[in-house]
Amino acid sequence: DQQVKQNSPSLSVQEGRISILNCDYTNSMFDYFLWYKKYPAEGPTFLISISSIKDKNEDGRFTVFLNKSAKHLSLHIVPSQPGDSAVYFCAASALGGTSYGKLTFGQGTILTVHP
Amino acid sequence: DADVTQTPRNRITKTGKRIMLECSQTKGHDRMYWYRQDPGLGLRLIYYSFDVKDINKGEISDGYSVSRQAQAKFSLSLESAIPNQTALYFCATSDLSGPIQYFGAGTRLSVL
Repeated sequence: DQQVKQNSPSLSVQEGRISILNCDYTNSMFDYFLWYKKYPAEGPTFLISISSIKDKNEDGRFTVFLNKSAKHLSLHIVPSQPGDSAVYFCAASALGGTSYGKLTFGQGTILTVHP
Repeated sequence: DADVTQTPRNRITKTGKRIMLECSQTKGHDRMYWYRQDPGLGLRLIYYSFDVKDINKGEISDGYSVSRQAQAKFSLSLESAIPNQTALYFCATSDLSGPIQYFGAGTRLSVL
């Protein structure tokens, strides 16, 4: 049972335009969400996160939006740059209880930004 | 130098062989994790350890074992490797303040 889903395996965007990556989750206990970026031959690196008490978090060109009622989050990259081409993973955590610290990952979305 | 170091980076082995993947970290984190990545499946948790005396199974622990030799070292063993364990393996660490995890560069394992 996939508790975190990224339904788009790939996304292609022109340089300078907006990239929108989507993520859905099913476990209502999740209350902290993260996005990771992964380049080939490297490990995933933390990009941005959001707590369930917020609906938006912004860091430079990256903004994450959370819609708790829809159990949906999205990552917006504006403007997109060729160096943003990577695999993006959505992850979720339940901060309380025995699951604290564990992350559940989505399948990943390959973003390609064309010059 | 990398904060989370995985060795080896690449390994080819044969079915039935025992293999160990090693992870060491200089971040001073108490918590360490092992994941595998397969195409279309994302990262799946194999084992995790919240301190030296604590070992917990993840969602796909069958066929794997781990050892936490010290705060900084966490190794993953495949007692008898099989072809469907061919994957990319990642070690990660986190501290007690939050769920953000920091990953090593990965080990690409092929079981023939």
